[in-house]
Amino acid sequence: QVQLQESGPGLVKPSQTLSLTCTVSGDSIVRAGYYWSWIRQPAGKGLEWIGRIFTAGNTNYTPSLRSRVTFSLDASKNQVSLRLTSVTAADTAVYFCARSNFYSFDYWGQGALVTVS
Amino acid sequence: IVMTQSPATLSLSPGERATLSCWASQDIKNYLAWYQQKPGQPPRLLIYDASNRAAGIPARFSGSGSGTDFTLTIDTLESEDFAVYYCVQRSDFITFGQGTRLEI
Repeated sequence: QVQLQESGPGLVKPSQTLSLTCTVSGDSIVRAGYYWSWIRQPAGKGLEWIGRIFTAGNTNYTPSLRSRVTFSLDASKNQVSLRLTSVTAADTAVYFCARSNFYSFDYWGQGALVTVS
Repeated sequence: IVMTQSPATLSLSPGERATLSCWASQDIKNYLAWYQQKPGQPPRLLIYDASNRAAGIPARFSGSGSGTDFTLTIDTLESEDFAVYYCVQRSDFITFGQGTRLEI
């Protein structure tokens, strides 16, 4: 059973860097045929795809966040990480990590609430 | 690619049929998925590639469409079906629709 768990500070000050980690169990993050995404959801609003990282380490980011976001993989810890710089209140959201099999997001974490204040 | 869902809110009763629409701003072939989200939970995959039900999803959920126009149909609504539904395209990166809230 694949499980994803987001972790990181729940409170970040404006202009600082938001860092989250997604720890994966039940699967290897470098197994071919999958990629890993981060998706966020402000309270009471819809879902926004932030970007994805493939098992080879190449990435795609949504244009609106491209200049501030970085994803990385740590195969030794089976973790996927997100860094978002220069945060503002608009970055306050629940952040989800999710696995994709190229057809859909088949496994999701429970989400981590990050407040910028 | 911009995904537009309609209606924003759909009010129905258990036992009725729900029809949710999703439009893409350009041709996405059948590269569309539908997700259901309940409060405090991550989204749950219902349909992928426009019409394929995910594992464990009841047969009352069905998807159709291709190109730019897509539909999610829920036959004979049950109480647990009242939630928010999102369409998502994977033709060009990933884009979510804004969601349809299905309420009792």
